[in-house]
Amino acid sequence: DAMVIQNPRYQVTQFGKPVTLSCSQTLNHNVMYWYQQKSSQAPKLLFHYYDKDFNNEADTPDNFQSRRPNTSFCFLDIRSPGLGDAAMYLCATSRAGQITDTQYFGPGTRLTVL
Amino acid sequence: KQEVTQIPAALSVPEGENLVLNCSFTDSAIYNLQWFRQDPGKGLTSLLLIQSSQREQTSGRLNASLDKSSGRSTLYIAASQPGDSATYLCAVQGDSNYQLIWGAGTKLIIKP
Repeated sequence: DAMVIQNPRYQVTQFGKPVTLSCSQTLNHNVMYWYQQKSSQAPKLLFHYYDKDFNNEADTPDNFQSRRPNTSFCFLDIRSPGLGDAAMYLCATSRAGQITDTQYFGPGTRLTVL
Repeated sequence: KQEVTQIPAALSVPEGENLVLNCSFTDSAIYNLQWFRQDPGKGLTSLLLIQSSQREQTSGRLNASLDKSSGRSTLYIAASQPGDSATYLCAVQGDSNYQLIWGAGTKLIIKP
């Protein structure tokens, strides 16, 4: 049973053309994360939502935005993708307040920028 | 600032061997340490989570240990199989927030 779902699995966009990646969860977790992972590198946290509170990492470019319309869904918007934004984008969830709980990851969306 | 290091970056062993993957961290003030598995082009799967008060966790052929004082963790894989081939990442959760600090991973290849 899929718990964290990401759509699409593969996304191709053109340089500068806005793109939106989607994440949904059936776990009812109140924290949702977006990570960027480039080849052979560790995941890099872009931002996370604690309920409706948005928390941006200091080094996340302004080009990246996020929306969380409800508990189940979270979106990553890349306003003007550059070649350097080609990567795997991972969504994860966790239960805030449960410090010992792990993060549950989706399968990722691989973004290609032409 | 917490830093997590995994050595080696890549490891290739014959099927059936027991092996150890290493993870080190610079700040011992952690809530937990987690080991994840990532298959090529896929998301991350949590393997084991060790709380700061624990010394080890076991799941099947996997055993993870934690030594906070020395800033080290190991992931032991017994009787390795080709299906164990993947990248293994460790991540620590600091005691000031619930965000994860990641190592770059060890790419493991098990040769049939």
